[in-house]
Amino acid sequence: EAQVTQNPRYLITVTGKKLTVTCSQNMNHEYMSWYRQDPGLGLRQIYYSMNVEVTDKGDVPEGYKVSRKEKRNFPLILESPSPNQTSLYFCATRDITNYGYTFGSGTRLTVV
Amino acid sequence: AQSVTQLDSQVPVFEEAPVELRCNYSSSVSVYLFWYVQYPNQGLQLLLKYLSGSTLVKGINGFEAEFNKSQTSFHLRKPSVHISDTAEYFCAVISKSGTYKYIFGTGTRLKVLA
Repeated sequence: EAQVTQNPRYLITVTGKKLTVTCSQNMNHEYMSWYRQDPGLGLRQIYYSMNVEVTDKGDVPEGYKVSRKEKRNFPLILESPSPNQTSLYFCATRDITNYGYTFGSGTRLTVV
Repeated sequence: AQSVTQLDSQVPVFEEAPVELRCNYSSSVSVYLFWYVQYPNQGLQLLLKYLSGSTLVKGINGFEAEFNKSQTSFHLRKPSVHISDTAEYFCAVISKSGTYKYIFGTGTRLKVLA
């Protein structure tokens, strides 16, 4: 079954404590992306990757890092989380020819 | 630059009634169009997409959408809704050039009433 697996599903952390949200896909897709979803703002792209070792900024990259060392994994790193990064985060992947996304189940992050 | 407008933030409708969720877009280049559904506590799921060909697109769960180039719209319809259709629906576009970046609308919350 085609899957995008994110962990953890829920996370409460304190300001400044580094954290990593993992994302893994089993569809062998080159393209992967991270979004954050906030009420009234829809989905905003944080970072994306078009292939291994190729990453680029989306619309709201400040305060986030990513890496793409393997095709299947695309972790999101918050080096020093702040309360304004409290949000619902989604990892997604898509085939480069049909453009439809497959999303993970989401990570609800609260930074206090 | 592209933009997507979903004018209705919430749409209440009674069970078995028809529904239309509106989506308008703005773009200086040709686009591909998508509708996604998000059930509570889940990720987004692709409902349907328009890439080319017939402007009437059928998707999963009985939904369909029609691409209207002159009105730059891609409204989503279902002739008879069920309680289980209660969810948030997102329209999205990507341009047919460049990085093929997605632009999402802000979503329409469909609430189906018994």
